[in-house]
Amino acid sequence: GQQVMQIPQYQHVQEGEDFTTYCNSSTTLSNIQWYKQRPGGHPVFLIQLVKSGEVKKQKRLTFQFGEAKKNSSLHITATQTTDVGTYFCAYSGNTPLVFGKGTRLSVIA
Amino acid sequence: DTAVSQTPKYLVTQMGNDKSIKCEQNLGHDTMYWYKQDSKKFLKIMFSYNNKELIINETVPNRFSPKSPDKAHLNLHINSLELGDSAVYFCASRIQGGTEAFFGQGTRLTVV
Repeated sequence: GQQVMQIPQYQHVQEGEDFTTYCNSSTTLSNIQWYKQRPGGHPVFLIQLVKSGEVKKQKRLTFQFGEAKKNSSLHITATQTTDVGTYFCAYSGNTPLVFGKGTRLSVIA
Repeated sequence: DTAVSQTPKYLVTQMGNDKSIKCEQNLGHDTMYWYKQDSKKFLKIMFSYNNKELIINETVPNRFSPKSPDKAHLNLHINSLELGDSAVYFCASRIQGGTEAFFGQGTRLTVV
């Protein structure tokens, strides 16, 4: 089945540094979703991207969908301790949501 | 009101036992899922139910069986529990073809 590969698996940053996680697919995706899971919590939906080359922003978070709709990225500017958690991309089509393996972000104050 | 609720939150049990985890959603969604999250935080789809019909059953052992008494509930039964079943199990729901999925709080299953 279709898979989305996510890198890096772990990222440790100093507070105030930027952070980026990448999601890649070998085939074209109809859309890509991003979720955040805080430690001990459950995944929470952040955003969905549908259009080729789409860029969306939520405060310090910037989401991009590649022109070929095969990759996506989430960029956090000036990380804060509240950004700690695991960020997942997920593919949603006519199949259930299939998640990437996630990027676990640690922020050192 | 909690949108997707799971019970219990924690479950500790011995190998060989049979247990159930319950899930209820009050969002009126027509699709519900069960995911397994292992110690490495990988989220693996186990089952997907749409309008009470099993759509996709991933390659999980047949010791696991989903049961949906109605559209708002999707319970997970596990027979003959094994050590490797220890994980966090998440229930989720959404509108088929819709956007976001809503997750329950998770059930941390520990098999000893």
